[in-house]
Amino acid sequence: GQQLNQSPQSMFIQEGEDVSMNCTSSSIFNTWLWYKQDPGEGPVLLIALYKAGELTSNGRLTAQFGITRKDSFLNISASIPSDVGIYFCAGRREGSTLGRLYFGRGTQLTVWP
Amino acid sequence: EPEVTQTPSHQVTQMGQEVILRCVPISNHLYFYWYRQILGQKVEFLVSFYNNEISEKSEIFDDQFSVERPDGSNFTLKIRSTKLEDSAMYFCASSEFAGLAKNIQYFGAGTRLSVL
Repeated sequence: GQQLNQSPQSMFIQEGEDVSMNCTSSSIFNTWLWYKQDPGEGPVLLIALYKAGELTSNGRLTAQFGITRKDSFLNISASIPSDVGIYFCAGRREGSTLGRLYFGRGTQLTVWP
Repeated sequence: EPEVTQTPSHQVTQMGQEVILRCVPISNHLYFYWYRQILGQKVEFLVSFYNNEISEKSEIFDDQFSVERPDGSNFTLKIRSTKLEDSAMYFCASSEFAGLAKNIQYFGAGTRLSVL
């Protein structure tokens, strides 16, 4: 089946530090998405990427769609305590009809004040 | 801001019982999805639904599962005879468009299903 490897699994950082996490897939994706999940909530979309090489920012978040179309990364700059949560990458394969998403296992981010 | 709502937030059931998980998608959305997340694992696609038909289903979505849009607002997932391994968080999602650049799926807060 489709493999989507997300790393790291968890991160413990000091407030103000930058964070980087990434995802790689075993097949080509035509869309990469990054979601954040807070406790007791569903995933909330942070950034969507649609073209290889695309670099997109949303405030302190920056994500890139890898040139090979098999990877993506998410950077968070100058982290703050409210960045705490689980970050998921998700991708959509070529030829997907209604946009079935494949998810990574998530990166649990903890930010110390 | 419009949101996807799911009820109940937590459902406890005995093995072998039928459960129905309910979702109210965002009102002008036409494309609906169910995903599940077993504790500590990744979110997994179950099924997509459009125009009163299943569009795609995963290998998880076997004959024990069914979906329905019984009226203009609800979208339900039924598990006919629950198994212990069905215990998971079930997420409903909806999207206004299907096209590549516009298929943004908005997720509900989920229903935690506990099968005893």
